[in-house]
Amino acid sequence: ELKVEQNPLFLSMQEGKNYTIYCNYSTTSDRLYWYRQDPGKSLESLFVLLSNGAVKQEGRLMASLDTKARLSTLHITAAVHDLSATYFCAVDGETSGSRLTFGEGTQLTVNP
Amino acid sequence: DAGVTQSPTHLIKTRGQQVTLRCSPKSGHDTVSWYQQALGQGPQFIFQYYEEEERQRGNFPDRFSGHQFPNYSSELNVNALLLGDSALYLCASSSGAPEAFFGQGTRLTVV
Repeated sequence: ELKVEQNPLFLSMQEGKNYTIYCNYSTTSDRLYWYRQDPGKSLESLFVLLSNGAVKQEGRLMASLDTKARLSTLHITAAVHDLSATYFCAVDGETSGSRLTFGEGTQLTVNP
Repeated sequence: DAGVTQSPTHLIKTRGQQVTLRCSPKSGHDTVSWYQQALGQGPQFIFQYYEEEERQRGNFPDRFSGHQFPNYSSELNVNALLLGDSALYLCASSSGAPEAFFGQGTRLTVV
């Protein structure tokens, strides 16, 4: 059974600081996704990582994938309040179709 | 393009009742997956439909069933509702490409 673990589960940080969220998974896969979810809302796609060594950046967020270590990171640079949300990583462990296994989520709060 | 649309957005049901949730996939997508997200948890895969057949299924009881229509839209049916079925139900559509797109979800409350 594919397992996806995120840490930390809760993260409170000050504006302007940097931090990294980690996502470990238990099986070989080269398809890793990061989503953002605001309270009561659906999932917003942030990044799709499809190969070992993939790195993608959008604004203050940067995601990377190391398939050999079965690890993805989501790095936050100079956090701002608008980044407060819950962040999920998900792994597609199937060879066809999209069947995502999600981590528990990291609830990020950015304080002024 | 309207993206993935789900209906209704909110629903309140009584224990023991049955419920049907609906999903219209993004234009051009032929695969629909359903997820259940309990409060404070990550979404869990329920099942996936492709070519009107259930192609994959997660660890959910038979009370959860589905259907896909020729126009690729899909329904999720839950029978004999339990309090623990209260959750946000998310539909995702895809087309063989790696990325799936999620609808806004249906919030089901069982009382």
